[in-house]
Amino acid sequence: AQSVSQHNHHVILSEAASLELGCNYSYGGTVNLFWYVQYPGQHLQLLLKYFSGDPLVKGIKGFEAEFIKSKFSFNLRKPSVQWSDTAEYFCAVNVENRDDKIIFGKGTRLHILP
Amino acid sequence: DAGVIQSPRHEVTEMGQEVTLRCKPISGHNSLFWYRQTMMRGLELLIYFNNNVPIDDSGMPEDRFSAKMPNASFSTLKIQPSEPRDSAVYFCASTTGTLAKNIQYFGAGTRLSVL
Repeated sequence: AQSVSQHNHHVILSEAASLELGCNYSYGGTVNLFWYVQYPGQHLQLLLKYFSGDPLVKGIKGFEAEFIKSKFSFNLRKPSVQWSDTAEYFCAVNVENRDDKIIFGKGTRLHILP
Repeated sequence: DAGVIQSPRHEVTEMGQEVTLRCKPISGHNSLFWYRQTMMRGLELLIYFNNNVPIDDSGMPEDRFSAKMPNASFSTLKIQPSEPRDSAVYFCASTTGTLAKNIQYFGAGTRLSVL
């Protein structure tokens, strides 16, 4: 079945640690890829996106993600996390030219210890 | 732009009562989505509209749930009768669709508690 998988449900890190959150999808064809972030008590906001071109994309707040087509992956990274990065992170996929729907992963809760 | 506007922000009701959630999408956006978020099931797509027409309602859990979009600037999600297991945060999102590569903009959500 077509799906978006986020491998880590809950991640706990100390400040300044490096972060990598995994995301894999199982859709064929051309895809648009997204990472959304939900800070405590808030709505989802777009963190970064990949449509085409350079597979390494940079988003807000020092986040970046790399699209590896052969691995069907779009992992999120940050070299040094801050306490304010505590949030839930969602990977999402839209299949190009199919419809407007995007499929979200289950999310990864990130907790940064001060 | 004010963004996607949802009301109410919080709703507390008793089992069996009718609940209506409201959403105003961003002006000019032609697709609107309703999601439900719970700890157990994460973020689930309930239904989405394109140009006011329901396109995919496969995520609507059962007949107690219904959604309408009478015009481009307003949508409702209704639960009747409500049950405790409907307690969740309900999000509305809108997008301009393929022209904007489907970046979705979310409202602040409605936190529903059914007692």
